[in-house]
Order: sequence, then C-alpha cells, then structure tokens
Amino acid sequence: KAGVTQTPRYLIKTRGQQVTLSCSPISGHRSVSWYQQTPGQGLQFLFEYFSETQRNKGNFPGRFSGRQFSNSRSEMNVSTLELGDSALYLCASSSGSLNTEAFFGQGTRLTVV
Amino acid sequence: AQRVTQPEKLLSVFKGAPVELKCNYSYSGSPELFWYVQYSRQRLQLLLRHISRESIKGFTADLNKGETSFHLKKPFAQEEDSAMYYCALGTLGGGADGLTFGKGTHLIIQP
Repeated sequence: KAGVTQTPRYLIKTRGQQVTLSCSPISGHRSVSWYQQTPGQGLQFLFEYFSETQRNKGNFPGRFSGRQFSNSRSEMNVSTLELGDSALYLCASSSGSLNTEAFFGQGTRLTVV
Repeated sequence: AQRVTQPEKLLSVFKGAPVELKCNYSYSGSPELFWYVQYSRQRLQLLLRHISRESIKGFTADLNKGETSFHLKKPFAQEEDSAMYYCALGTLGGGADGLTFGKGTHLIIQP
C-alpha cells in the first residue's frame, strides 16, 4: 500500500507570495490533517478534512486554508506569505474514525525569503 | 485548551540501560494518548497508543490519569532506539484541536 505522498518536497517563496501544497492520502483513507512543524513551536495542528469538509481547525490565521477533493487528495494554501511561515508542513491521513492512527507524509519544506 | 509537555529535549543513555521518556498532559476531558517516533531520515510514525495496552519494540506506556502522565519506558535500551519521540494527545469526541503534540525528546543510545 502506497504511503502518504506530499508534493513538492521543497519550496522557496518570496514574502507576500502565495503557495499551494498537495497531499495524497493512503488509498481508502478519508481524513487528511495538516500540521506545521517549526523548531520553536514544534508540531501544530492546522486543520483536518474529512469527506471534502473541514471537520476541525487549529489556531492559525485565515491566510492558511485548505480543501479536499472527492478522491480525498488535499491541498493547503498559504496566502501573503510571511517569513515566519517557513516550516515543514506535514500531512497525515487516517481512516477518519476518531483518534485512529495517523499516517504521516515526508513533509514539504517551505522557505520564505 | 489541551497541552502536552515533554520536559526533556534530549535524553542520552547507554545501551542496555533502562529508558524513560516523560510526558505530561493537560486536558479536562477523557484523553487519548499516543507516542509517535521519527527515526533518522524517516517519516513520523505511530509507536503505540494507550488504548491498545500493547508493547511495541519493547516499549510500554501507562496512562496515569491521577498524575496526568503517559511516560514511555523500555527496560533495556538498544542502539536502534535512537530517534525523536513525540507524545501526542487526542480528544475523544473529535475535539477541534486535532492531535496536540509535545515538542519531542531526542533519545540517543550510546554504545
């Protein structure tokens, strides 16, 4: 079974630009969650999508948004990038039942300059 | 809001020695606790969850609701245990915060 795939693996963007990250979950998984990982704050929950609907949301500004498609693939968008958005963005998929195991992707390393 | 605290950023022990990675949580409801591990150059993966009450790779963790702790233990450390370990809290009932992670403990097993 293929694992969670995130593209691209690395991105360099300029302050003020926007960026879209992609996540393909494990086949059959309907839940996709996104996390931001930084050295200072660690892993922080961004949001979760289940069957194309945002089910949960963390404490991030509205510049961070996402969506999920009918095939469960998910995208995350960050608009008006700030230097502080530089981080590793991790995607995790699960079956969607409450608190089942989350399978993580390798992450997308975003650098904002 | 829930919180997970891992007090040790770095823990170094010798091979064969016992290991205990500490995790304390703060949550008013009924918690679901996990340990995730990240080996060098690998992705984050589930090590164990409290509801399973199982031992994985010799590791065990007991949920102590009185002390709000979920420490990870192994009686005899092996070199391949060197990794980053993250304690995570999920909220039964589908809380709005997803998984809340601690900041992680870097475990180094010295030969």
